[in-house]
Amino acid sequence: ETGVTQTPRHLVMGMTNKKSLKCEQHLGHNAMYWYKQSAKKPLELMFVYNFKEQTENNSVPSRFSPECPNSSHLFLHLHTLQPEDSALYLCASSQDSSGAYNEQFFGPGTRLTVL
Amino acid sequence: GQNIDQPTEMTATEGAIVQINCTYQTSGFNGLFWYQQHAGEAPTFLSYNVLDGLEEKGRFSSFLSRSKGYSYLLLKELQMKDSASYLCAVLDSNYQLIWGAGTKLIIKP
Repeated sequence: ETGVTQTPRHLVMGMTNKKSLKCEQHLGHNAMYWYKQSAKKPLELMFVYNFKEQTENNSVPSRFSPECPNSSHLFLHLHTLQPEDSALYLCASSQDSSGAYNEQFFGPGTRLTVL
Repeated sequence: GQNIDQPTEMTATEGAIVQINCTYQTSGFNGLFWYQQHAGEAPTFLSYNVLDGLEEKGRFSSFLSRSKGYSYLLLKELQMKDSASYLCAVLDSNYQLIWGAGTKLIIKP
């Protein structure tokens, strides 16, 4: 148990569907992250929230929309995705998003398949 | 651009020692992390190096040479449960983590 939970663990959706991924951290952290992990590729940072404020958006297409209502919860809203968006989506948290030592704690991920 | 290189896959024998290398070119350096990720599970933290030298933690050790842009993760007395992917990540000058693609380690009996 890492203290970071994600739901659902698996999701299959059509290109016209709208769905949301949920992440919750029970570690008292102030920063939360969304990553995309594709096979044999480096983790791709998508979004960073620090104290509920979005601090990074790494040129992510608008069909991905994050929401951070408080420091413990993070959502990723999905709309009109493409098959190439199929991947493992990982949520992580850390004490904050700056500073020299910033260990990130990961959730188990959501395996997304877009048909 | 920023780049982290590590081998795609390695194979080792149970009980042996294996060294997984990582080289990096990044804009600035504020530390290097190693994470372990078992198939279908979350990455978990293994080590953090910010100064040159070797950090030992049980069967796992991590080495850093900042002048060479090089690190390795050393796993001793390999066990079957060590079969996993090992991710190298560097904290750049903006305190953003730059990730390698990971090394899949296969342990054979």
